[in-house]
Amino acid sequence: DAGVIQSPRHEVTEMGQEVTLRCKPISGHDYLFWYRQTMMRGLELLIYFNNNVPIDDSGMPEDRFSAKMPNASFSTLKIQPSEPRDSAVYFCASSLGQTNTGELFFGEGSRLTVL
Amino acid sequence: AQSVAQPEDQVNVAEGNPLTVKCTYSVSGNPYLFWYVQYPNRGLQFLLKYITGDNLVKGSYGFEAEFNKSQTSFHLKKPSALVSDSALYFCAVRDRRGSYIPTFGRGTSLIVHP
Repeated sequence: DAGVIQSPRHEVTEMGQEVTLRCKPISGHDYLFWYRQTMMRGLELLIYFNNNVPIDDSGMPEDRFSAKMPNASFSTLKIQPSEPRDSAVYFCASSLGQTNTGELFFGEGSRLTVL
Repeated sequence: AQSVAQPEDQVNVAEGNPLTVKCTYSVSGNPYLFWYVQYPNRGLQFLLKYITGDNLVKGSYGFEAEFNKSQTSFHLKKPSALVSDSALYFCAVRDRRGSYIPTFGRGTSLIVHP
């Protein structure tokens, strides 16, 4: 398996622009997570899905952030409009269902810089 | 509720010496415990996990971790450190009967000096 695939790996944009980050989870995994990592706040869980349904989005910082999972093999995290404080590395992770012990498999991340 | 603490932001060790990265946890019930490693500009990689049974768990790259229920700890260890072990290490906990979602520590930066 190719693992969790994220794109783009790097994104530089200007304040106010829309940013879309993409994720393809490991085939067969039914949980998908979006995390944000910064030096100041560490690793933060933004939202997670189970069987394509958003379960908990309490970590999404503002209404500017939205996430979708239209099918089992694709998810997006959108920021509109972007702000400099959104600069971070965004990780997608997937895992196998509740009967499993639940270790997460992470993608390589999308490094976002908002100027 | 579940929580995990990594009391050290950074651990420095000389190559060839043993290393320990500390982790303590809190859960209502019994825990699943995990260690992940993050190399620079990479995603987190699963290292090892404790489910049940033997308190000493062996994982990738020669790492092992010891589960201590009385001290609610799950310290990561390696008998002989390599410079290539330098990375950020995350401990995570999940309550078996609670949320499926693991809680991660803030991470400990391990620096192995030649």
